[in-house]
This record gives sequence, C-alpha cells and structure tokens, in this order.
Amino acid sequence: GENVEQHPSTLSVQEGDSAVIKCTYSDSASNYFPWYKQELGKRPQLIIDIRSNVGEKKDQRIAVTLNKTAKHFSLHITETQPEDSAVYFCAALNSGGSNYKLTFGKGTLLTVNP
Amino acid sequence: NAGVTQTPKFRVLKTGQSMTLLCAQDMNHEYMYWYRQDPGMGLRLIHYSVGEGTTAKGEVPDGYNVSRLKKQNFLLGLESAAPSQTSVYFCASSFRGPTTLHFGNGTRLTVT
Repeated sequence: GENVEQHPSTLSVQEGDSAVIKCTYSDSASNYFPWYKQELGKRPQLIIDIRSNVGEKKDQRIAVTLNKTAKHFSLHITETQPEDSAVYFCAALNSGGSNYKLTFGKGTLLTVNP
Repeated sequence: NAGVTQTPKFRVLKTGQSMTLLCAQDMNHEYMYWYRQDPGMGLRLIHYSVGEGTTAKGEVPDGYNVSRLKKQNFLLGLESAAPSQTSVYFCASSFRGPTTLHFGNGTRLTVT
C-alpha cells in the first residue's frame, strides 16, 4: 500500500518568514495530493491540492509543488501570519480503479511567532 | 447547510462497554468515511462507504463496525471498547471519491 512520509514534524518560524513542509510517497501510481490544515481543536480542512498532471499550484500565499520523478511534494507558505499556526497534513491517493483510501502523513505542527 | 455533524462530541467509556458514534451529512454526498486521529499518527481510515447500503474496511478496522442504512448517515460502533480505542474520531464525506473531504468536528473518546 501507499506510504506517506512528512517532514518536519514541528516547524517554528517568525511572522513574515516562509515555511516549507515536505512529503514523500511510495506508490508511483498516486495521482492526487491534497493538503489539510487543522487548527487546534478543530476539524481538518482542505487548503490546496494538486494532481499529477500539474507541477505547481498556487493560491494566494500558499503553493504546492510536485516532483513525480522523485515522488515528493511540498507545501510552501509565504509571508506567514499567526493564523497560519496549525497542524498541516499531506496525503496521497491513487484514484484509479476502485481505490478510496487516502493515505495521510503524520502531520507537521507549524507555529508562527509574532 | 450544517455540513457534517458528529454526535456525541465527548464520551468516556469503561473497558468492555459498547457505543455508537453517529455521523450525519446534508450535502447529498455519496462517500463517507470514519478516521481516527492519534498523536503523532496522522489520520487513519477505519471504515468507509461508497454509497447507501455499502461499507468497506479501511486501514485499521479491527474492533469497529459500521452501517450506512441511509445515505446521509454513517454509524461507527464499538462492541467492546478497549483502552487502545481512546482517540479522536472524525467522520468525513465527499461527493465522489476521497477528494475534497468534508470533516465533522470530531468525537473525543476515552476508554478507561
């Protein structure tokens, strides 16, 4: 099955700095890679996703890049703000056939210090 | 729209007791999922359903049962609770496949 490794497990940055979280996956057939943000005590929420036919996707201050050859993808947050503080989860899915199992990484606790 | 609603929000059980967690969604989604979240372990899929009347095992199904008698509801049952089932349980739904999951607010379960 798919295995997703996420690094780092914790990340602390100063407000205004950039933050990068990296994930690697094992199944070369995986073709969908979402990122979820979970604020303390809240539900996970999808913030951005990318499919394997795209190398990069941006949405305001967040971006995701995908390297299919190396089987890794990254979340980039620029101009970080205190409200970006949360746990971020990456995930991978091979959406072919009848696979409905989204495999999550173990999460990265991002702390943005004012 | 309420989205995905989970009940209860908190529950304490003694070892060997049983309980049912209820998940309801009002978005007419076909797919529903139960995940558990443990510190440092991410989100792990317990069971899922691809439509009314269907259920399937996920990554960590042992000790749990599920039912999807109505499209909008997905029930997670623990027949004989164990301390290892202490966790936060999240229900999620999606329109088609596990893309854009909509999560509920979670149920914090403690088994003593």
